[in-house]
Amino acid sequence: AQKITQTQPGMFVQEKEAVTLDCTYDTSDPSYGLFWYKQPSSGEMIFLIYQGSYDQQNATEGRYSLNFQKARKSANLVISASQLGDSAMYFCAIKAWETDKLIFGTGTRLQVFP
Amino acid sequence: DVKVTQSSRYLVKRTGEKVFLECVQDMDHENMFWYRQDPGLGLRLIYFSYDVKMKEKGDIPEGYSVSREKKERFSLILESASTNQTSMYLCASSLYRVSNQPQHFGDGTRLSIL
Repeated sequence: AQKITQTQPGMFVQEKEAVTLDCTYDTSDPSYGLFWYKQPSSGEMIFLIYQGSYDQQNATEGRYSLNFQKARKSANLVISASQLGDSAMYFCAIKAWETDKLIFGTGTRLQVFP
Repeated sequence: DVKVTQSSRYLVKRTGEKVFLECVQDMDHENMFWYRQDPGLGLRLIYFSYDVKMKEKGDIPEGYSVSREKKERFSLILESASTNQTSMYLCASSLYRVSNQPQHFGDGTRLSIL
């Protein structure tokens, strides 16, 4: 069975600062993928970034990067230069390569203040 | 651009009613999913489908059924709505067995059962 743990229910960050959102996972599958989604208050789930278990380099997408530490089973999301529009819920999810199902964590609410 | 459309953003129904939530995707995706989202619990998978007329139970299927008569449409049915089914419902779609592809989500339906 797979599991995602997000231990930070809420985080605050000042505008223009960087913030790290924690995600640890548990899986017995040798191959898997990790996804981060953003959910603004309006409700839609927005895909941010993907990391494959065999990827040699940490994934980056604009201001988003993933600090992937496979031995520690962690996949933390780093948001650089935070903006007020980054205020939202953030979910980490894992997918085993032989299935198409995502297992989600409970999420972290990020609040960016001026 | 990819598009997953859920028929209603907000819906209010009464206990005992049969409720239909509709989801349509225009990306020719094989997979479709229904989740419910509750505070502190993250997203939990109700049902998913890999193909037309195929369905598989997720983690919390009790009280729900689904229908997939056409590839682009996946319906969630609450056979006899109860107050504990008040929740946010999210539909998603994805390509079949493409490991690095994310699920694409609709805007969600906030369902209240009175």
